[in-house]
Order: sequence, then C-alpha cells, then structure tokens
Amino acid sequence: NAGVTQTPKFQVLKTGQSMTLQCAQDMNHNSMYWYRQDPGMGLRLIYYSASEGTTDKGEVPNGYNVSRLNKREFSLRLESAAPSQTSVYFCASNRQGGYNEQFFGPGTRLTVL
Amino acid sequence: GEDVEQSLFLSVREGDSSVINCTYTDSSSTYLYWYKQEPGAGLQLLTYIFSNMDMKQDQRLTVLLNKKDKHLSLRIADTQTGDSAIYFCAERTGRRALTFGSGTRLQVQP
Repeated sequence: NAGVTQTPKFQVLKTGQSMTLQCAQDMNHNSMYWYRQDPGMGLRLIYYSASEGTTDKGEVPNGYNVSRLNKREFSLRLESAAPSQTSVYFCASNRQGGYNEQFFGPGTRLTVL
Repeated sequence: GEDVEQSLFLSVREGDSSVINCTYTDSSSTYLYWYKQEPGAGLQLLTYIFSNMDMKQDQRLTVLLNKKDKHLSLRIADTQTGDSAIYFCAERTGRRALTFGSGTRLQVQP
C-alpha cells in the first residue's frame, strides 16, 4: 500500500500560469480532501469530495477547481496562479466509520512568483 | 462556528514531560485528534479521543478532554529528541473534513 501519493513534490510557477496537482489513494476510501498549509496557520480546507462524482467547497476555494476523476484520484487545478497561492498543499483521504482517521499525502510545495 | 486554537511553541528538556494544549469552540465535535508533522512531511495521526471520553492513554501519550471548557491536551511522557515536530489539534463535527489548529512546535533539548 502506497497510501496517499501526490505529484509533484515541488513546483515554481509564474503569476498567471496554470497547473494541476495530482493526488491518488489506494486504500479504497470514499472521501478525499485538499488542504493548504501556510506558515503559522493550520491546514485550511480548499475542497473535498465525499464520494466519486461529488465535490464541495471548503473554507478557501477561490482560485481553485477540483476533479474527482474516479474513486482513487482527486486533482486540484489552479487556472491562473497568484502569489497568494504560494503554499504547501496536502491531499488526504478518509477511512469511513470508526474514528474516521484521515491519511495525508507528503505534500506539494508550490511557489508562485 | 468552528475555531481551534493552540499555543505556537513549546520547549522542553529530554526526559521531561511535554503538555500541549488546545481549545476548540464547536460543542458538537464528535472526535478530536492529535496529528504530528515532521519537517518536510505530511501529517500523521498520533491519537484521537471520542467526545464522550475524558481521558485516553496510549503508551507515552495521554489525552485529556474537558468538554465543559472545550479544552484538549496532549501529554508526552519522557519526551525524546525524536518527538521534536509540530503537533496539530483537530476536531471533526458534522462535516467529514477536519478543522485544525495552527500547530504547536515542540522543541526537545538534549
């Protein structure tokens, strides 16, 4: 089991460029999430997907779009990157039932110049 | 609304106990969690507590929950240098996503 994987690990963009962050999980989880982490702040939810075919906005969705391609994959797209989107992005997936542990990927460090 | 607060920094000596505190505002929280983040890595679940519990012990970790004051704490006994990391408190309410505190950086001095 690889768990939650994310690509790329690092990315530098110029203002206005677009890119897609990829995330995949092999644990057969229904729910997947995208968070961003900024210095001195906790993780803030961008978007989540409770199940294949559904997506919902989180706390900070502006400037982002998501696609739940299938049960395994959940991608995050920046259509026109801005310096305010410089952050570390984490994808997570959720075990259903029990204590609902979330499993996190290693993160993508994005810098927008 | 949901808000989770933590102190930003804690420094202890190796072998001492560490206590990391957290306050939350949503009284409908079902589960509360402690996650650990090592440099350059993602978050890893350390432990959790269900909202109808007061205390949970797991080896060197003790979690205390005071629902009346909406206060959660994590005690690490016999703190080691390998415990140096950022510790996040998180709550889960009706939504499936988690609300995180800003994290407490634990520095363990030899």
